[in-house]
Amino acid sequence: GENVEQHPSTLSVQEGDSAVIKCTYSDSASNYFPWYKQELGKRPQLIIDIRSNVGEKKDQRIAVTLNKTAKHFSLHITETQPEDSAVYFCAATFSNSGYALNFGKGTSLLVTP
Amino acid sequence: DVKVTQSSRYLVKRTGEKVFLECVQDMDHENMFWYRQDPGLGLRLIYFSYDVKMKEKGDIPEGYSVSREKKERFSLILESASTNQTSMYLCASRSGTGGGNTIYFGEGSWLTVV
Repeated sequence: GENVEQHPSTLSVQEGDSAVIKCTYSDSASNYFPWYKQELGKRPQLIIDIRSNVGEKKDQRIAVTLNKTAKHFSLHITETQPEDSAVYFCAATFSNSGYALNFGKGTSLLVTP
Repeated sequence: DVKVTQSSRYLVKRTGEKVFLECVQDMDHENMFWYRQDPGLGLRLIYFSYDVKMKEKGDIPEGYSVSREKKERFSLILESASTNQTSMYLCASRSGTGGGNTIYFGEGSWLTVV
């Protein structure tokens, strides 16, 4: 079936460094690619998203890039801070499930001071 | 702000019990979803609904059913709870169709089946 692969599963960086999380998807009809941040015990919160007609989007320290040909998209966090520590999920909409979101398995990011 | 409310935050049920998880959204969204979240497995889609009285199976519908009698309410039903259904359940909603709009999550319902 259709799926979203996310790497790495864990990532540890020093405060101030950059963090990159990568995802691939299988459905060429996918048209929406959000990223969610989830802190312990809380709901996933949307941090940035990108649609299929755009290649890159930036919001302050966070950026997302999309390569539709290769079917992969990435999250870039610059100047990381300890409060960026959380689990990050990528997701993509799949046409065969009514454009519901299919999620990657998550990346646990730890930013150490 | 969009509000997606899951009325039961923490539940403990016995094996074989029928369990109802309720979700209400206040933004007149057409689409509603139920996911379960387990460590290392991410969020997996159980069921979704495009409109009142409509439902579609997601990736893991076995052991679950849903009900959408009113547009704002989407209920997840465990007909006979089992221990492998111990999990965190997330409801979500989205406006429109075609997949390009933001999905909003409720706060989650932590279910333990003993």
